[in-house]
Amino acid sequence: AQTVTQSQPEMSVQEAETVTLSCTYDTSENNYYLFWYKQPPSRQMILVIRQEAYKQQNATENRFSVNFQKAAKSFSLKISDSQLGDTAMYFCALQNSGGSNYKLTFGKGTLLTVNP
Amino acid sequence: NAGVTQTPKFQVLKTGQSMTLQCAQDMNHEYMSWYRQDPGMGLRLIHYSVGAGITDQGEVPNGYNVSRSTTEDFPLRLLSAAPSQTSVYFCASSYTAVWASEKLFFGSGTQLSVL
Repeated sequence: AQTVTQSQPEMSVQEAETVTLSCTYDTSENNYYLFWYKQPPSRQMILVIRQEAYKQQNATENRFSVNFQKAAKSFSLKISDSQLGDTAMYFCALQNSGGSNYKLTFGKGTLLTVNP
Repeated sequence: NAGVTQTPKFQVLKTGQSMTLQCAQDMNHEYMSWYRQDPGMGLRLIHYSVGAGITDQGEVPNGYNVSRSTTEDFPLRLLSAAPSQTSVYFCASSYTAVWASEKLFFGSGTQLSVL
């Protein structure tokens, strides 16, 4: 079984500052994918960033970047220059790439509030 | 360019009532799935389908039925609603079920309350 743990239920940051959201996971597979999804108050689920486990280079999407530590099974999300529109629930998710397991396992989420 | 369309957006049921949550996608996606989102629990997979005529159970399938008679539609049926099924339900799809890296497209969710 695969698990995803987000240990910070809530976080807050001042506008323009940097914040890091933590995520740890467990899987017995060697090949897998990790994702961060954002859910603003509109409830829409938005893919923020994606990391392939076999790639050592950390993924980056504009102000969003990850720190992927495979050996430690850690996948944190860094948001630089935080904006008010970043206020949302953030979910870390894991999907194994092999066999018949197409299931995406989500963490419980971190509620991020960006303060003006 | 509709994407994934879920109906209704809100629903209130009485215990024991039945209903179907509708999900349709117009992207010719192979893979479709249903998740429920509860406070403090994240999203949990209910059922999924890797193609027309093929469905399988996820993490929390009890109390729900699904079918996939066409590529486009993947309805979720509650046969006898219970208060424990009060939740926000999301339908999600992707082009293929083969590659785990495929991006999931989510619907806008259905807020269901069972009294």
